[in-house]
Amino acid sequence: KNEVEQSPQNLTAQEGEFITINCSYSVGISALHWLQQHPGGGIVSLFMLSSGKKKHGRLIATINIQEKHSSLHITASHPRDSAVYICAVKSGGTSYGKLTFGQGTILTVHP
Amino acid sequence: NAGVTQTPKFQVLKTGQSMTLQCAQDMNHNSMYWYRQDPGMGLRLIYYSASEGTTDKGEVPNGYNVSRLNKREFSLRLESAAPSQTSVYFCASSEATSYQPQHFGDGTRLSIL
Repeated sequence: KNEVEQSPQNLTAQEGEFITINCSYSVGISALHWLQQHPGGGIVSLFMLSSGKKKHGRLIATINIQEKHSSLHITASHPRDSAVYICAVKSGGTSYGKLTFGQGTILTVHP
Repeated sequence: NAGVTQTPKFQVLKTGQSMTLQCAQDMNHNSMYWYRQDPGMGLRLIYYSASEGTTDKGEVPNGYNVSRLNKREFSLRLESAAPSQTSVYFCASSEATSYQPQHFGDGTRLSIL
């Protein structure tokens, strides 16, 4: 079983829909990251959180430490949100910034 | 805003050839990382350098070597390329703490025939 599991693996939505991507992990962590990878490959860090909730524009990330679960929400989705969304965790026992990554969720938003 | 710069962007090698992937960052970050990304596998850590002068193995180090040349540069070397090393390689950097995001380069697409 992978340490970091994302669901769904693929997600298709119509423009304007509310989208949720889930991430579950099995180890104790000190931080969780959400990353975005666009077609063409570039990877951008969206959020890093260790508790609670963070919001940036139409993106919201939440984490429940007790349940070992995080969600990434996109409100009023747009075709430009089409990308692979990756969850990654920093285990509490590892040094520095070493991350363990989920396999990613492929999001396609149709106009 | 250069951030993390990787060269080359694309490369095709024959089995047994060697090559070095270059990575440089201009954010004065202490920690640097090399990952490979394969379909269905997610990103996997090959090697990392927590600070200048130190390097450590990650999850999949076999067949690779690294050099932290200075604070800015962290190179990845394939001494004798194998088809199993066909992948997309990403370099990243971060501050040397748990609570800072990693900044990624644009990746190197490497094919080994």
